[in-house]
Amino acid sequence: GAVVSQHPSRVICKSGTSVKIECRSLDFQATTMFWYRQFPKQSLMLMATSNEGSKATYEQGVEKDKFLINHASLTLSTLTVTSAHPEDSSFYICSARGRGTVRADGSYEQYFGPGTRLTVT
Amino acid sequence: GQSLEQPSEVTAVEGAIVQINCTYQTSGFYGLSWYQQHDGGAPTFLSYNALDGLEETGRFSSFLSRSDSYGYLLLQELQMKDSASYFCAVRDLSEAGGFKTIFGAGTRLFVKA
Repeated sequence: GAVVSQHPSRVICKSGTSVKIECRSLDFQATTMFWYRQFPKQSLMLMATSNEGSKATYEQGVEKDKFLINHASLTLSTLTVTSAHPEDSSFYICSARGRGTVRADGSYEQYFGPGTRLTVT
Repeated sequence: GQSLEQPSEVTAVEGAIVQINCTYQTSGFYGLSWYQQHDGGAPTFLSYNALDGLEETGRFSSFLSRSDSYGYLLLQELQMKDSASYFCAVRDLSEAGGFKTIFGAGTRLFVKA
């Protein structure tokens, strides 16, 4: 099956610094990538959708200037949390779909990365 | 608004059958998916229903009734390793083009010996 990796798996940073999280599709070309955040014991909240080569579309309430998303290639998307604060501490998960992830009914499956746990102190 | 309702917790014994229901109210609907997530891990895909009816994959089955905006996940022959959170999710159109997935709040399943 399709594999999506994320790096780093865990990161601790100081308040006010920026953190970059990478999401890679290892064996397929990800035409679309999604970024989610998940607080403990809560659901996944979609932050943004990015199509390769174009600007990300952010969900309502997500600050574009704080969460910078770049999807420059068909295998890599990055999420940069700028000027991080303790309230940004969360589990950030990416998922990807694209060529090679087509279901039997013709729809696209999305594959999730293992997640990145961010702690801002 | 958009909402997906599912029970917050379900407890069952090993070997039993459990059904997790999901009702949804979304602006668009292009399919219902179910995901499993163990504590500390990422979600893994379980099933997808675009049309009404029952889809079976091993011990897991998923049902959809679009007229009722309702679906369920059925887990048979429960095993301890099935203890996890289960999320229903609806595919809807994305402003970015294509589709996006909206998740329910999740149901924590506890399997007892």
